[in-house]
Amino acid sequence: DQQVKQNSPSLSVQEGRISILNCDYTNSMFDYFLWYKKYPAEGPTFLISISSIKDKNEDGRFTVFLNKSAKHLSLHIVPSQPGDSAVYFCAASQRKFNQGAQKLVFGQGTRLTINP
Amino acid sequence: KAGVTQTPRYLIKTRGQQVTLSCSPISGHRSVSWYQQTPGQGLQFLFEYFSETQRNKGNFPGRFSGRQFSNSRSEMNVSTLELGDSALYLCASSPRLLEARENIQYFGAGTRLSVL
Repeated sequence: DQQVKQNSPSLSVQEGRISILNCDYTNSMFDYFLWYKKYPAEGPTFLISISSIKDKNEDGRFTVFLNKSAKHLSLHIVPSQPGDSAVYFCAASQRKFNQGAQKLVFGQGTRLTINP
Repeated sequence: KAGVTQTPRYLIKTRGQQVTLSCSPISGHRSVSWYQQTPGQGLQFLFEYFSETQRNKGNFPGRFSGRQFSNSRSEMNVSTLELGDSALYLCASSPRLLEARENIQYFGAGTRLSVL
């Protein structure tokens, strides 16, 4: 049961253009969403997050959009740079009362390649 | 601040053997989670430890176990290794404050386990 899905295994974008990575989830109880970036031979690096009380969060070139009714989130990178080439994972968690935040459920990842 | 440290980085074992992986979290972080990453499967949650107690467990057989020490360092053990256990094992730490809504986990570089 894949609760978090990234349907595009790979994406290729021209340098300077916008990269849009998509993620869908099935569990309506998820209330916190994150994006991680992973280079080969390294662990995932936290990129940006969004709480379910918001529909947009921006940090420099990175913006995450959340559409709760569609159970969909996306990561926009503008402008895309060669150093952005990596695998991007979206993740979701559900906060349980009085127990703090819970485990992260990850998507399968999207390999982003930025072409010069 | 030093990041999450995992040792060893690479490990080769044969079927039937057992293995222990180590993780030192970021100083001050009390929660340690373990994930398995295999090609096409994304990151699969194994378990989370907080204050030396297992708080969450993923859907893995009992051959996978872990523990956490009083200094928050954690070990993961896999007994009776199978070929399918070959994977990248990632450790992540977070402050995991009970009142915190967000759960940003910070990952180590991982231990690459190969079972022959």
